Amino acid sequence: AQSVAQPEDQVNVAEGNPLTVKCTYSVSGNPYLFWYVQYPNRGLQFLLKYITGDNLVKGSYGFEAEFNKSQTSFHLKKPSALVSDSALYFCAVRDRSGTYKYIFGTGTRLKVLA
Amino acid sequence: NAGVTQTPKFRVLKTGQSMTLLCAQDMNHEYMYWYRQDPGMGLRLIHYSVGEGTTAKGEVPDGYNVSRLKKQNFLLGLESAAPSQTSVYFCASSYSEGARGYTFGSGTRLTVV
Repeated sequence: AQSVAQPEDQVNVAEGNPLTVKCTYSVSGNPYLFWYVQYPNRGLQFLLKYITGDNLVKGSYGFEAEFNKSQTSFHLKKPSALVSDSALYFCAVRDRSGTYKYIFGTGTRLKVLA
Repeated sequence: NAGVTQTPKFRVLKTGQSMTLLCAQDMNHEYMYWYRQDPGMGLRLIHYSVGEGTTAKGEVPDGYNVSRLKKQNFLLGLESAAPSQTSVYFCASSYSEGARGYTFGSGTRLTVV
């Protein structure tokens, strides 16, 4: 069965420090991988995606994610966290079989402390 | 740029009442989706549509119906609301099958008492 795991419910990081939000997946074949961010009372916003190519993907707001096929991971990273990065982050995966739907992780709440 | 618009934003229903949630997108996207978001469970797909006049079931379709009579609109109906349907509902749309990512609406917070 396909699945996405975000092992941390919450990540706390000091402003200015690097941050990592973890995501691992179990999908047959080579999936499409995504990160979305959700601010309070808002819908999810697309951050970045991995389709193919370079394992390090750059996205919006200075975020990047590293695809690791052997570890089936797609961790979200940022070199220097901002208080405004505090939000709920979702990892999502879509297989290439044409099922037309994503599988979302349960979300990780990022709290950046001033 | 309106993107994806959901109405209403908030609603309180009594058990057994019915209602329709409206999703409208102005991006000419073929694919549209309804998700529910519950604490600790992420987003779960209720129904989706791959084009005007088509609908299909997602992970948790029971108790919901949908219609896509026009390309830009995707309606989610609750015929007889139950407390278990208390949730935040998100509509999303995508160009083609979503390899470029989804665009989400801002959500509808539904409480069934």
